[in-house]
Amino acid sequence: DAKTTQPPSMDCAEGRAANLPCNHSTISGNEYVYWYRQIHSQGPQYIIHGLKNNETNEMASLIITEDRKSSTLILPHATLRDTAVYYCIVRGYLWGQNFVFGPGTRLSVLP
Amino acid sequence: NAGVTQTPKFRVLKTGQSMTLLCAQDMNHEYMYWYRQDPGMGLRLIHYSVGEGTTAKGEVPDGYNVSRLKKQNFLLGLESAAPSQTSVYFCASRPTGTGGLGETQYFGPGTRLLVL
Repeated sequence: DAKTTQPPSMDCAEGRAANLPCNHSTISGNEYVYWYRQIHSQGPQYIIHGLKNNETNEMASLIITEDRKSSTLILPHATLRDTAVYYCIVRGYLWGQNFVFGPGTRLSVLP
Repeated sequence: NAGVTQTPKFRVLKTGQSMTLLCAQDMNHEYMYWYRQDPGMGLRLIHYSVGEGTTAKGEVPDGYNVSRLKKQNFLLGLESAAPSQTSVYFCASRPTGTGGLGETQYFGPGTRLLVL
């Protein structure tokens, strides 16, 4: 599995866009990028995923660079409820590969 | 749908005691997972199952056993609890599909275990 690198923490003002970066320079062609978040001590929650193209859903946008070596999760209008640890995960679909959760980025949305 | 549920929510054990954590899902998912999360760390995979009657070891399987007798249930057992097993345990499930949304895991609320 490709490994990911994320900053340990970030701050964002409420109402502003939160841009969370992730480096995955060893990603291979069949590996997807997934983003999850964990609010306080709850179970992780799926946010979004992508392979090559940028993706958007009701929660966030995912921007993947053309070489696929990095990506950015964008929360367009961060709220206090978005304060959480955000995990960037790269996973292929071959047998035996599982999600690897690193320490993630702790996002603090400030009033 | 209740999604993924875990029983119990919290438990205190003494060293050497045994217990079983239950994970149940009502989404007809084939794959199920058990993770542990220690303070300030990411999740680590203990065991997983790709279908009824099958299990496999993850990253940190020592000290744990699992069973998947029914598709909807995945049990995690601690035969002789140790203080190092104090952690939060999360169960997850996902459908069979490969790639993309088929790989998305759905997590339970967690079980907090304290071993004294």
